[in-house]
Formats: sequence, C-alpha cells, structure tokens
Amino acid sequence: EILLTQSPATLSLSPGERATLSCRASQSVTSYLFWYQQKPGQAPRLLIYDTSHRATGIPARFSGSGSGTDFTLTISSLEPEDFAVYYCQQRSNWRGTFGPGTKVDIK
Amino acid sequence: QVQLVQSGAEVRKPGASVKVSCKASGYTFTSYYLHWVRQAPGQGLEWMGIINPSGGTTTYAQKFQGRVTMTRDTSTSTVYMELSSLRSEDTAVYYCATLDAFDIWGQGTMVTVSS
Repeated sequence: EILLTQSPATLSLSPGERATLSCRASQSVTSYLFWYQQKPGQAPRLLIYDTSHRATGIPARFSGSGSGTDFTLTISSLEPEDFAVYYCQQRSNWRGTFGPGTKVDIK
Repeated sequence: QVQLVQSGAEVRKPGASVKVSCKASGYTFTSYYLHWVRQAPGQGLEWMGIINPSGGTTTYAQKFQGRVTMTRDTSTSTVYMELSSLRSEDTAVYYCATLDAFDIWGQGTMVTVSS
C-alpha cells in the first residue's frame, strides 16, 4: 500500500501570500495524484486531478505539479476563501490512499 | 441535477453492522466508479474501497478487508457499503464519491458506534 505524507501539517499565511503544499509518496505514483480542499462541515472538493489538471471551476491560482514520489500544490495568491484543509490522494492498482492533510490558516 | 444522495444517520452498538446507501442521479450510473471514504471526528480522510457500478467488482483497503462489503443495484442506481463488527473507532462520517475529474460527493452519513 502506498503511503502519502504531507508537509507542513499547518501553514500559517496571510491573504495574498503564496502557499506551497507538499505531498510525498512511499513509492512511485502514476499520474493519478489528486488534490482536495475541505472546509469545516463540508464534503471535500476536487481541485487538481492527474497531478496538474485543474478541475472544473477551479481558479487559475491553484496549480499542481510533480512526478514519481514528490508532488506540490501551489496557491499563487491566497484569497480569504482558500483557508481550509488540503488533502492529496493517489490511486494505484485500484487502491487509493489519502495524505493526512495540510491546514492552511490565517496568520 | 447530478448528485449522490446517501441514507441518513445511524447509531449502532459495538459488534453490530451498518449498511449505508448512495443513490446516483443526473448521470449514467455505470459510467463512473464509486468510492467510499470516511472521516472520523476531527480527523482526516480515509479511503475504504471502490466499486465498479457496471460489473460490481470491488477493491477494498487492506485495513477493511473481511469487514466491508460494497454492492450495487443497477435498477435503482444505488451502491451500498456494509461494515460489520463495528467498534467505537468506526464512528465517522461516511461518504460515497466519484474521486474522478467528474467530481461528485454524497452529503455524508454519520455513523455512531456506542454502547
């Protein structure tokens, strides 16, 4: 089973700043690396699929990159609505796992 | 309207089983695999397994092997997730979701395991 780790656990930033979130896999992942955003009391929402493709309706300030075992979600300039928890997720051989999440909060 | 609608909250005693349903509408039921994901209070997301609505084949996370069963009924466009031998650590919100570029999530079903 592929394990995912995310860093940092918490990222304290101000609106307008750039956020860089990391996701590392225990072994090489195919391109099926996803990023989700979750706000309190809500179901998660897909931001990025297949490492770098923005989901429908997701603003251009969100971007994904990476390959192999190292992946990154970048938010170029934080908006007030971006303060939330972010999870990476992978699917290989039909088995999926989520990372533990990175909380982006207001500094 | 594209949506996944789940069954309501459940309370079970330790050792019992629970079966949660997830009804799809607004899209072709057999076109997208459906996953089950759970989230314990204050915790992260945990992937439980996947079902192919077309053929009914399943793959489960190792952690739940032997305790979880996912099925589907194509006549009603509904998938089910049954978890047995419940313990307090299974208290969580259970979601069905496509986990695909075509991103749809159910509203979540709270399952509480308490004596």
